[in-house]
Amino acid sequence: DAKTTQPTSMDCAEGRAANLPCNHSTISGNEYVYWYRQIHSQGPQYIIHGLKNNETNEMASLIITEDRKSSTLILPHATLRDTAVYYCIVRGGSARQLTFGSGTQLTVLP
Amino acid sequence: NAGVMQNPRHLVRRRGQEARLRCSPMKGHSHVYWYRQLPEEGLKFMVYLQKENIIDESGMPKERFSAEFPKEGPSILRIQQVVRGDSAAYFCASSPPGQGPIYGYTFGSGTRLTVV
Repeated sequence: DAKTTQPTSMDCAEGRAANLPCNHSTISGNEYVYWYRQIHSQGPQYIIHGLKNNETNEMASLIITEDRKSSTLILPHATLRDTAVYYCIVRGGSARQLTFGSGTQLTVLP
Repeated sequence: NAGVMQNPRHLVRRRGQEARLRCSPMKGHSHVYWYRQLPEEGLKFMVYLQKENIIDESGMPKERFSAEFPKEGPSILRIQQVVRGDSAAYFCASSPPGQGPIYGYTFGSGTRLTVV
């Protein structure tokens, strides 16, 4: 699986959009980009995934660049409950397991 | 529809004892994954199982650790002769058959193992 690079930490004001970047410059054509988050001491929670096109669901939007070497997770209206570690993971082909990096600690400030 | 159920939530063992961690996957899910998270670290893959089969155990320590997913009942992660370094959160995840890498999978709330 391709390696990902994320900032260690970010702050965001409550009610504003949180934009979390991820670099995955070695991604291959059949690999998907997944985002999970882990709220303190809980199990990771699936957020969204995508291959080439931008994706949106009830939790977030995923913007993938045309060359697929980077992506951005957008939480449109961050709340205090969105404070968590956010993991960007690249996975594809027949691989079943997820490889977690260090993630980005997002802190939503009141 | 119940999620992935792990028990116990907290487990305390003395050095040298055995720890047994249980994971019941979501209904209809036949693939189970175990991950370990050491204090202040990220999650590390341990093992991937299907019913009665270990598919990938590349992340399992060579000694003292074993996993099974019997035809009936939960998946079990067993740690024999625990040491203090085994203290961690152990998370189980499950996924349905045939979905491939297209979809993410669902994690349980974890078991916190403390070795004293």
